[in-house]
Amino acid sequence: ILNVEQSPQSLHVQEGDSTNFTCSFPSSNFYALHWYRWETAKSPEALFVMTLNGDEKKKGRISATLNTKEGYSYLYIKGSQPEDSATYLCAPDRTGGGNKLTFGTGTQLKVEL
Amino acid sequence: KAGVTQTPRYLIKTRGQQVTLSCSPISGHRSVSWYQQTPGQGLQFLFEYFSETQRNKGNFPGRFSGRQFSNSRSEMNVSTLELGDSALYLCASSLVTGSRNTEAFFGQGTRLTVV
Repeated sequence: ILNVEQSPQSLHVQEGDSTNFTCSFPSSNFYALHWYRWETAKSPEALFVMTLNGDEKKKGRISATLNTKEGYSYLYIKGSQPEDSATYLCAPDRTGGGNKLTFGTGTQLKVEL
Repeated sequence: KAGVTQTPRYLIKTRGQQVTLSCSPISGHRSVSWYQQTPGQGLQFLFEYFSETQRNKGNFPGRFSGRQFSNSRSEMNVSTLELGDSALYLCASSLVTGSRNTEAFFGQGTRLTVV
């Protein structure tokens, strides 16, 4: 069983705060690391797919880094807004192709005005 | 471009019954994966179908099965339903490119309640 850990489990921040989450995963048989944002009553939405050690990706105010040697990834949100409130999931892909993902239990972010 | 469509959105079944859920992938996507989400367990991989063949399988009992049709639409079946099968079932489709950074696109899920 692949052990994927995300921390913290939940987070409450004020609008404008910057925040970051951690995803830890086994570094063996690594193909890619997926980050998803999942808002209530919606589909999980892909944020990033990262494959290379040292990768850094950015989408607007959200960025992520990847360390495949030690098995962790960080997700950063700069200047959090209420619309960032969601559960953020990471999922290592050990077979390639995004077809068989092992998800962590997620970090639930609540951004308050 | 239409997204991944799952039907029905909500379902209530009785213990012992069976249920079939449907997933229509994004046009051109030939890989369909199924996941189960229960409280406290997170999203767990059930199985993946590609070109009408099951290519990957998670750790679920044989009561959970699936199939894929020639148009890539997939169905998932659960027989002899148990209370613990109450969950959100999500399917995801992806374009098989051979690339490691292929995204998976999710549907909104089917909420199954077993009473």
